[in-house]
Amino acid sequence: DIQMTQSPSSLSASVGDRVTITCQASQDISNYLNWYQQKPGKAPKLLIYDASNLETGVPSRFSGSGSGTDFTFTISSLQPEDIATYYCQQYDNLPTGTFGQGTKVEIK
Amino acid sequence: EVQLVESGGGLVQPGGSLRLSCAASGFTFSSYEMNWVRQAPGKGLEWVSYISSSGSTIYYADSVKGRFTISRDNAKNSLYLQMNSLRAEDTAVYYCARDRGYCSGGSCFPGAFDIWGQGTMVTVSS
Repeated sequence: DIQMTQSPSSLSASVGDRVTITCQASQDISNYLNWYQQKPGKAPKLLIYDASNLETGVPSRFSGSGSGTDFTFTISSLQPEDIATYYCQQYDNLPTGTFGQGTKVEIK
Repeated sequence: EVQLVESGGGLVQPGGSLRLSCAASGFTFSSYEMNWVRQAPGKGLEWVSYISSSGSTIYYADSVKGRFTISRDNAKNSLYLQMNSLRAEDTAVYYCARDRGYCSGGSCFPGAFDIWGQGTMVTVSS
């Protein structure tokens, strides 16, 4: 099975800061990677699909990049409403849906 | 409005059973693959099970294989998860999620989980 290693597990940044989260797959998954945002007590929300495509309605300060085994998720200018836990997910093959461990983003 | 609504969660004793339901609305349910994903208290997301749009292709996480059964009724726009032999480690919020992937020629290709329900809590405790 494909394993996803996400880092860091948590981070604290100031409003306006650039925030970067990385996700590494245990084998080549091409661009079959998604990023989700989960706010406390809420369901996850799809932000980025196919590694770099912004889901409709998602602010452009969110972006994703990478292919193969190494991926990056970026918030270009952190906003108070971005406080959440972010998860990567691979979907290279079935069984599907392996998630990373999550990154909790807090405001400094 | 595109929506998924889970129900059926609750408190159950170890070894017991529970059936979760997920009601879909606002989209053509029969055209989409579906998933169950769970989240234990304070923990991350864990994929549980997948079912193709026709119901012919099904997968389970190793942690639930042999104990959980996923099914769907396209006429009722509903997804189900029958959970048997429940254990304390099955305690979690269970989400149903729409899969943007597709099946063709007997093979299924997963996609992003683009619509999620609000979740239903399952607590396994004596």
